[in-house]
Amino acid sequence: NAGVTQTPKFQVLKTGQSMTLQCAQDMNHEYMSWYRQDPGMGLRLIHYSVGAGITDQGEVPNGYNVSRSTTEDFPLRLLSAAPSQTSVYFCASSRDREAYEQYFGPGTRLTVT
Amino acid sequence: AQSVTQPDIHITVSEGASLELRCNYSYGATPYLFWYVQSPGQGLQLLLKYFSGDTLVQGIKGFEAEFKRSQSSFNLRKPSVHWSDAAEYFCAVGTYNTDKLIFGTGTRLQVFP
Repeated sequence: NAGVTQTPKFQVLKTGQSMTLQCAQDMNHEYMSWYRQDPGMGLRLIHYSVGAGITDQGEVPNGYNVSRSTTEDFPLRLLSAAPSQTSVYFCASSRDREAYEQYFGPGTRLTVT
Repeated sequence: AQSVTQPDIHITVSEGASLELRCNYSYGATPYLFWYVQSPGQGLQLLLKYFSGDTLVQGIKGFEAEFKRSQSSFNLRKPSVHWSDAAEYFCAVGTYNTDKLIFGTGTRLQVFP
């Protein structure tokens, strides 16, 4: 199993541009989530999904959209990038609908200039 | 409000020394507790978890943690640290049927030879 994969690994955007961070898992996990990691702030939940077709907001959802059309994929869309969205983004998945034992991807480092 | 506190931002130990990383939580319901480790440039990996039962839990890589309800703590310990343990450690809390975990801000561990 590849586990949780994320692309791209690095990305630089200009303010106002949009893009999609890709996340895929091959473990048939129901739960998937997106976090951002900023220095001194730990991980903050952006959006999550407990199954295909179901998504919900986390702690910091503004400026981000998600969809879950398949069990495997959970893309994160930045609608209009802002410098405040400069961060490292992690996707994670969990076998059951609960968020207990999450498997994390390697992360995407995003810089918005 | 639910929260997780890791009071130590940065800890330095010598290789072979013992280690204790502190975690305190504030949670209204019976907590489920987790420790994750993040090696440099990597995603997070689950070290250990506590749901119920024996309050001393064993994890991977020789780590253990003890749940103390009276102190609202879940401290991580290792009797002898190896240089490869240098990483950032995150405590997290959830509850039964939770759909999200709350992460602490992390403790960065540095190991000197």
